[in-house]
Amino acid sequence: AQSVTQPDIHITVSEGASLELRCNYSYGATPYLFWYVQSPGQGLQLLLKYFSGDTLVQGIKGFEAEFKRSQSSFNLRKPSVHWSDAAEYFCAVPYNQGGKLIFGQGTELSVKP
Amino acid sequence: DARVTQTPRHKVTEMGQEVTMRCQPILGHNTVFWYRQTMMQGLELLAYFRNRAPLDDSGMPKDRFSAEMPDATLATLKIQPSEPRDSAVYFCASGYLLAGEGEEETQYFGPGTRLLVL
Repeated sequence: AQSVTQPDIHITVSEGASLELRCNYSYGATPYLFWYVQSPGQGLQLLLKYFSGDTLVQGIKGFEAEFKRSQSSFNLRKPSVHWSDAAEYFCAVPYNQGGKLIFGQGTELSVKP
Repeated sequence: DARVTQTPRHKVTEMGQEVTMRCQPILGHNTVFWYRQTMMQGLELLAYFRNRAPLDDSGMPKDRFSAEMPDATLATLKIQPSEPRDSAVYFCASGYLLAGEGEEETQYFGPGTRLLVL
């Protein structure tokens, strides 16, 4: 069955430091993969998505993610974190074809000055 | 800037009362999703519609929850009667599935309705 695991519940990084948030998935075929961000009190906003093609995907706000089939991973990265990046980040994979997404439990990112 | 809108943004009610949450999807989108978010369960899909037809409501407690799309610009989620365990943030999301392009469309989320049932 399809599943998504975000191993890190909470991560703290210093402003200006690099960031990597982990996402591992289980999916039968070539997956579609998504990263969403949720700021406090807000809905989810799409950061980036992978459908096919280049395995390094660029998103908004300076984020990127790399699809690694051999590791079943789709980790999110940012070279230099800003205080405004503090939020919760969700990785998602389709349940089956047809629009349903399975979300990971989320990783809460704190940014210290 | 097209956005999904949800009303009300906050709702406090007493157990046993009816709660109706509304969602206006992005104009032109043909898929609408309802999610519930709690600390314990995370994000759960309750139901979704495509072209106003319900496709899957297996995540929704049928005895008290109902979801409808009276028209293409309005989706509703109703709880009757409400219970304290329904306290959560309810999100609506919409997307557009382009026929022949594969089955995965991007979902755009509304700001949510924060529900507290006392």
